[in-house]
Amino acid sequence: KNQVEQSPQSLIILEGKNCTLQCNYTVSPFSNLRWYKQDTGRGPVSLTIMTFSENTKSNGRYTATLDADTKQSSLHITASQLSDSASYICVVTHYGNNRLAFGKGNQVVVIP
Amino acid sequence: SQTIHQWPATLVQPVGSPLSLECTVEGTSNPNLYWYRQAAGRGLQLLFYSVGIGQISSEVPQNLSASRPQDRQFILSSKKLLLSDSGFYLCAWSRLVGRFTEAFFGQGTRLTVV
Repeated sequence: KNQVEQSPQSLIILEGKNCTLQCNYTVSPFSNLRWYKQDTGRGPVSLTIMTFSENTKSNGRYTATLDADTKQSSLHITASQLSDSASYICVVTHYGNNRLAFGKGNQVVVIP
Repeated sequence: SQTIHQWPATLVQPVGSPLSLECTVEGTSNPNLYWYRQAAGRGLQLLFYSVGIGQISSEVPQNLSASRPQDRQFILSSKKLLLSDSGFYLCAWSRLVGRFTEAFFGQGTRLTVV
């Protein structure tokens, strides 16, 4: 079973609208959690990183939240733009061995 | 600053031909290195990771192999490609900096086996 589960698998949203992506993980012990944005045919680029003591982190129109007790994170995209169309990947780092556990990504398509 | 180089960006190879994808990291020492494959519409699948020179761990049995001849060089190889080896291959590196694990990806190689 994958240690990082993301939902929804894919979604289509209208330009200007908001959306929220979910990430649930079972990695333990947990070091930190990152959200990456991957444009089609490109490598993932980091958006945010949070440790267990951080509840929220913003990067422009992207806001990530983390509940380390329930092992859940979300990525909120505000006022979506066409350039937000991409796959958003949740990555959790295992504390100690530095291993990365990847979710399968949320595929977001923003339409005009 | 640290950078990661991965090449080639695209590759079309016939079935049965050999493969060599190269990844190098600059600006850091002793990074953890990873090779991932991403099939169309699928998530990232870890193929190999390395914690040091000559130290390779394989995550899934496959037609591919990896080598780390130098501290900042990671190579993905195959002696004979299969059609199922087609996909998007990503190299990544990570390093513990304080309490954070910094992870960075290359731009990927689109491999098409024909």
